[in-house]
Amino acid sequence: EIVLTQSPGTLPLSLGESATLSCRASQSVSVGYIAWYQQRSGQAPRLLIYGGSIRASGVPDRFRGSGSWTDFTLSITRVEPEDFAVYFCQYYGVSPYTFGQGTRLEIK
Amino acid sequence: QVQLQESGPGLVKPSETLSLSCAVSGDSMTSYYWNWIRQSPGKPLEWVGHIHSSGRTKSTPSLRSRATLSIDTSKTHFSLSLMSVTAADTATYFCARGRDSNAALDYWGQGILVTVSS
Repeated sequence: EIVLTQSPGTLPLSLGESATLSCRASQSVSVGYIAWYQQRSGQAPRLLIYGGSIRASGVPDRFRGSGSWTDFTLSITRVEPEDFAVYFCQYYGVSPYTFGQGTRLEIK
Repeated sequence: QVQLQESGPGLVKPSETLSLSCAVSGDSMTSYYWNWIRQSPGKPLEWVGHIHSSGRTKSTPSLRSRATLSIDTSKTHFSLSLMSVTAADTATYFCARGRDSNAALDYWGQGILVTVSS
């Protein structure tokens, strides 16, 4: 089973700043099976990125996924109010499909 | 717009069976994979399993002996049964859609909180 470790646990940011969220896999995996989700308080997760770097429909281009081997990153440029949420990475290449524990973006 | 909606009891007694249903609207269920994911307090999301529209299933090893996934013949909803529940099964349960067995989950339900307690 692939274990995904996200850092930091919490990231305080001011509006307009940029964010870099990390997701580290316990072993090398294909970036083609990495997804990122956003979960606002009390809501279901929303798919942001799949295939490591492909934005899902309707996702603004300020969200960018990248990475390879064991290290993957979600970058958010010019953070807006609706971006303050929890972000999860997921590996879906081999069952059981696993999720990271999440990074919470909070207002500084 | 695809919509998923979980339903079921919010409280289940220990050792009993948790039964949840997910209603799907806005698109056909055919050819997709229908997933269950749960989120226990303070823990990461956990993929429980999925069922294809053909009935083929796959589930996480830790729950495989207790979890049963099914899909109805009219293909408008799918279900999860989890036997012999304990407090560790207390979680918010989400249903979600995948376009393939190995695919990200593009539509999710709002989730349903299930508490296991006597």
